[in-house]
Amino acid sequence: NAGVMQNPRHLVRRRGQEARLRCSPMKGHSHVYWYRQLPEEGLKFMVYLQKENIIDESGMPKERFSAEFPKEGPSILRIQQVVRGDSAAYFCASSRLDGDTQYFGPGTRLTVL
Amino acid sequence: QQQVKQSPQSLIVQKGGISIINCAYENTAFDYFPWYQQFPGKGPALLIAIRPDVSEKKEGRFTISFNKSAKQFSLHIMDSQPGDSATYFCAASNLGDDKIIFGKGTRLHILP
Repeated sequence: NAGVMQNPRHLVRRRGQEARLRCSPMKGHSHVYWYRQLPEEGLKFMVYLQKENIIDESGMPKERFSAEFPKEGPSILRIQQVVRGDSAAYFCASSRLDGDTQYFGPGTRLTVL
Repeated sequence: QQQVKQSPQSLIVQKGGISIINCAYENTAFDYFPWYQQFPGKGPALLIAIRPDVSEKKEGRFTISFNKSAKQFSLHIMDSQPGDSATYFCAASNLGDDKIIFGKGTRLHILP
């Protein structure tokens, strides 16, 4: 039973480009969460999604960031016009039910040059 | 405002010793307190978790002590081993809420 999968594992972008991060939840899990980890910091919640619905995006920056979890396929975290401050590790987690244990993927490390 | 405060930031323990990491929280609505272990380049993995209706939970060498009145909880690693060297995060969440609030982490190094 594969765990949470994220790709790419490493992503390098120049300022102004777009970054797309993908997350496939564990089998049987329909709840997806995105967190951001800055160097030497804990993880910060960004957004919580269920299939075709954004449930809570209270941790998402108001501009340039968006997330989706379509009926088919992985969840996507999209960052438009990246800036150096977006450089971080982005982790996806999934759970079977709301409030259930969240299992984390290996993360995508984004570097903005 | 940091809702979960974790200390120390880093910790060095001799092999076989006891590693202790402390956390304090502010929101009395929190009712689930997990600890995560993270190795370099990996995602956090759930290590052990406790709910506030018990004061202690033990799983192997790992024990969580919970003090509801003080709003504090701690992780004890008994007989610490070099393989325990990792970053440990305490966290808290509220049943019915979806987000986990993480502490800033403790980088633990066990000397061989």
